[in-house]
Amino acid sequence: DAGITQSPRYKITETGRQVTLMCHQTWSHSYMFWYRQDLGHGLRLIYYSAAADITDKGEVPDGYVVSRSKTENFPLTLESATRSQTSVYFCASTRGTGGNGYTFGSGTRLTVV
Amino acid sequence: GQQLNQSPQSMFIQEGEDVSMNCTSSSIFNTWLWYKQDPGEGPVLLIALYKAGELTSNGRLTAQFGITRKDSFLNISASIPSDVGIYFCAGPTGNQFYFGTGTSLTVIP
Repeated sequence: DAGITQSPRYKITETGRQVTLMCHQTWSHSYMFWYRQDLGHGLRLIYYSAAADITDKGEVPDGYVVSRSKTENFPLTLESATRSQTSVYFCASTRGTGGNGYTFGSGTRLTVV
Repeated sequence: GQQLNQSPQSMFIQEGEDVSMNCTSSSIFNTWLWYKQDPGEGPVLLIALYKAGELTSNGRLTAQFGITRKDSFLNISASIPSDVGIYFCAGPTGNQFYFGTGTSLTVIP
C-alpha cells in the first residue's frame, strides 16, 4: 500500500535490550524524520535524514541510532533501552524541505519495563 | 531548541461553539503549519501558511499567519464531536520543523 508505515504498532521491551523501530515510505520522499511524543513535550525530533546515507541529529538524539541505506527505509534503533525512552514514536517524510508539511506514520507505542 | 508555545493547553467546549487557539514563537518563521492528531494516530496537516498576514481556510477551520511572523492562530467554527484531538502548530528552522506542545480539544455533545 502507498504511504508511510511504521512497525511494530506496539512494543514492550526490557531495560537494556536493543530495539529497532521500522519506518517505510513508498513516495521516494527525500526527507525522513523520527519524533517522539511525550505528555507535556509535544513532538520532539530525534533524528532526520535528507537522503540515503545522510543523517543528522535532532533535538533529543542521545540513546538512539539511525541508518538510511535505502531511500524508502529509515529504521530507529534504541541500543540499550531505558525507561525514559518509553514514548510514542512517529516517523514522517516529506519530498522537499517540508514547506508543504510532513506526512506522519501512525506511530509505535514503546514501553520499556 | 526552538520554543513554540501553544495556548490554551486544553479546552472543553460544547458542540456548536467556536474555538480559538494560538501559537507563539521566540523566532521569526516564514512558514506556519497546523496539524491535528486524532487519538492513536499520527498528526495530519490541516493548513499551511506562507506569508505574514495570510488568512487561509479549510472548511470550518481558519488559520492566520501573524503580522510579526512570530505567531499564528487557528479558529474552528461550529465545533462538532469529530473535532476532538490535539492540535499542533509547527514552524521550520533550517531543514527541521519544530512543533508546539499542542492544544487538546474535547467537544461535549
